Amino acid sequence: GAVVSQHPSRVICKSGTSVKIECRSLDFQATTMFWYRQFPKKSLMLMATSNEGSKATYEQGVEKDKFLINHASLTLSTLTVTSAHPEDSSFYICSARELADSYNEQFFGPGTRLTVL
Amino acid sequence: AQSVTQLDSHVSVSEGTPVLLRCNYSSSYSPSLFWYVQHPNKGLQLLLKYTSAATLVKGINGFEAEFKKSETSFHLTKPSAHMSDAAEYFCVVSLESGGSYIPTFGRGTSLIVHP
Repeated sequence: GAVVSQHPSRVICKSGTSVKIECRSLDFQATTMFWYRQFPKKSLMLMATSNEGSKATYEQGVEKDKFLINHASLTLSTLTVTSAHPEDSSFYICSARELADSYNEQFFGPGTRLTVL
Repeated sequence: AQSVTQLDSHVSVSEGTPVLLRCNYSSSYSPSLFWYVQHPNKGLQLLLKYTSAATLVKGINGFEAEFKKSETSFHLTKPSAHMSDAAEYFCVVSLESGGSYIPTFGRGTSLIVHP
């Protein structure tokens, strides 16, 4: 099946710094990528949807200036957590979908564990 | 608005017994439905998906799900649980919103398998 990678898998940073997380589709072109946040023992919360070449669509309550998303190519999307604070510590997961139709499954990355000290 | 409800936060079964994980959805239109599994500290893996071709969908690892429009349900079943099935299971509904298909996750059901 299709493979999605995330880098880094784990990151620890100091409060106030910015962290960039990369999501890559390795063997297919992803027209749409999704960014999720998962709290311990909780479900995935959709943060934003990004389509290649256009601005990301953020879900209600997600600060677009804090969570910067760039989908510059059909194989790469990045999430930058700006001025990170301890409450931003979480498991961030991206997924990629090849086509725009609803039947097309998402392929998930392995996730990035962010810890803000 | 669309939503998906996983009725049980935890399901506990003995190895070798049947598994039933419940999922109900609300949608004005026929949705696309998916079940994903997440093992501890791992990413999500697709178990199966409903694409309107057949109401009974067979997935990997012996799982299957039946789409019942009249009950707005898409319950996940397996005849005989295995220890390796212990994981978190997510029901996902995908529906058109503003020209895009946006997935909505259920809260998840933790499957516990006893020896």
